[in-house]
Amino acid sequence: EPEVTQTPSHQVTQMGQEVILRCVPISNHLYFYWYRQILGQKVEFLVSFYNNEISEKSEIFDDQFSVERPDGSNFTLKIRSTKLEDSAMYFCASMEEQGLDDSEGTYGYTFGSGTRLTVV
Amino acid sequence: AQKVTQAQTEISVVEKEDVTLDCVYETRDTTYYLFWYKQPPSGELVFLIRRNSFDEQNEISGRYSWNFQKSTSSFNFTITASQVVDSAVYFCALSETSNQAGTALIFGKGTTLSVSS
Repeated sequence: EPEVTQTPSHQVTQMGQEVILRCVPISNHLYFYWYRQILGQKVEFLVSFYNNEISEKSEIFDDQFSVERPDGSNFTLKIRSTKLEDSAMYFCASMEEQGLDDSEGTYGYTFGSGTRLTVV
Repeated sequence: AQKVTQAQTEISVVEKEDVTLDCVYETRDTTYYLFWYKQPPSGELVFLIRRNSFDEQNEISGRYSWNFQKSTSSFNFTITASQVVDSAVYFCALSETSNQAGTALIFGKGTTLSVSS
């Protein structure tokens, strides 16, 4: 079964450093997303990406964040100058096509296993 | 504004008990999708089901069943004959279709289910 792959699984970084979280979405998917989950809390939407541009972003996704699809397969999230509060699990997700009228109930976003970012 | 409420923070049951996880949502859209995800202790998000707003048929998949009621804006999830492996955090989520180019999933806060043997 196709998977969304995220690397690394765990990253520790010093406050103020830049980090790049990497994701390889499923190959025929068109929509890409980043979500984050602070420990013990709910999953929060950061940004969606379609047709090589950001289609939607949340208030969390400020100027410190950026996304890129540099080579047609990878999808990256960059945090320019990490803060302690950026410590969280970051999930990448992809979806084949938006708005399918699929009543079978078996279609959804596919999430990666996540990258746990620890800022010290 | 859209919102997903999972009022049950934690539920503890003994194996073989049935358990229902509640989900209530708010949306102004007439077309939307509802999801359930499971997050086991290992941390990944496992897709369980998607339902669109035009299909109120209940869904059964093995020991899992879902009850979607638009009249009460609820999309509840029942596990029949629970097992220890069902122990996880379960998230309900909502996606509206007003933005065709990548609508965000809005998650509830999750319900932690603990099943003891």
